[in-house]
Amino acid sequence: GDSVTQMEGPVTLSEEAFLTINCTYTATGYPSLFWYVQYPGEGLQLLLKATKADDKGSNKGFEATYRKETTSFHLEKGSVQVSDSAVYFCALRGLNDYKLSFGAGTTVTVRA
Amino acid sequence: EAGVTQSPTHLIKTRGQQATLRCSPISGHTSVYWYQQALGLGLQFLLWYDEGEERNRGNFPPRFSGRQFPNYSSELNVNALELEDSALYLCASSLGLAGTDTQYFGPGTRLTVL
Repeated sequence: GDSVTQMEGPVTLSEEAFLTINCTYTATGYPSLFWYVQYPGEGLQLLLKATKADDKGSNKGFEATYRKETTSFHLEKGSVQVSDSAVYFCALRGLNDYKLSFGAGTTVTVRA
Repeated sequence: EAGVTQSPTHLIKTRGQQATLRCSPISGHTSVYWYQQALGLGLQFLLWYDEGEERNRGNFPPRFSGRQFPNYSSELNVNALELEDSALYLCASSLGLAGTDTQYFGPGTRLTVL
């Protein structure tokens, strides 16, 4: 079945550092890929998405590129802020599927 | 535009009781999904409703059930509560269309079973 493997955390960074969170997936065909973010005590917010190979999703300085050849969707941000401290989830939805399959989540803490 | 709303924010029950959680989707969305986020188990799909019908369910026992109302809001019922049902329950909505559209999540209901 479909699955997502996400970089284990926690990740601790200083402000203005570069952030990468690795995400790889297993699925048949061409799934849609998502990054969601969960701030402390809150639900999930959609951060960005990509629906086909080579698409780049971007939002709030975060980017991720759908790489079919490496089945990856790594999340990057060039300069993190304290406000980026959160749990980040990579997710996929298979073609004609209804549910999201999530990675385990990566906790990111940014220190001033 | 209002997002997905859920109530209550927190719910405390004792083992064996029933819990009812509510969700209102984004206006215009017809699909509602329920997910469980339990400590150590990650996010797991529970149920999907679209146009008032249960379309699919995840690997959960029958004591997890729900319904979708004509205004597309939804209710999740958990009967005979067990300690391991303690979790954050997240509701999401989408435009429908066989559930292939982007899902937007609410803030969740934190259920604690004592």
